[in-house]
Amino acid sequence: YVLTQPPSVSVAPGQTARITCGGNNIGGKSVHWYQQKPGQAPVLVVYDDTARPSGIPERFSASNSGNTATLTISGVEAGDEADYYCQVWGTSPDHFVFGTGTTVTVL
Amino acid sequence: VQLVESGGGLVQPGGSLRLSCGASGFTFSIYNMNWVRQAPGKGLEWVSSMSRDNDMYYADSVQGRFTISRDNAKNSLYLQMDSLRVEDTAVYYCARAKTFGGSYAHDFWGRGTLVTVSS
Repeated sequence: YVLTQPPSVSVAPGQTARITCGGNNIGGKSVHWYQQKPGQAPVLVVYDDTARPSGIPERFSASNSGNTATLTISGVEAGDEADYYCQVWGTSPDHFVFGTGTTVTVL
Repeated sequence: VQLVESGGGLVQPGGSLRLSCGASGFTFSIYNMNWVRQAPGKGLEWVSSMSRDNDMYYADSVQGRFTISRDNAKNSLYLQMDSLRVEDTAVYYCARAKTFGGSYAHDFWGRGTLVTVSS
């Protein structure tokens, strides 16, 4: 199972960044999103398609339907510059699958 | 919650290493635990999982070469890596897998340990 993300997304401060994650009928799966800043471990920012862990700002939202899941960052800040990965579970042959990753650059 | 990996280092192709992950701040025995790696400049790759019931799962790329295990009495997760290849070079993360809506996500991660396979 393959999850495809755009390699990069650029956005001006205060604008909205949208990161897509494409997969065959991904809308039928639960999608999770991670943020990874340089030199740091990933951090879970969205789980189960749309839910945010405690401490994650409301600026982070997500959706999942059909063949595309989307992570949306509203009012982008400089601190949101990072790599973002989507992830699903329970696919064959791999137990967990991560997306190819998207680098968000704040202009 | 804290996860601390150790055991990484430089090893020659064909060699072995054993990674450890010490867990604290939660009831280790009731969680599934995973190893995830990231090659230099590359994305995240799932390596192996061990359920709380001791079921083991491996990515095809490491099947037959890596062995995952856990010691609940020591709150520790391990990864025995044998027949190492240059392409196994990566930062290896220990991560807790939590169930959400019938799926699993990694809700806590360690800081990682670097494994370099080179002659």
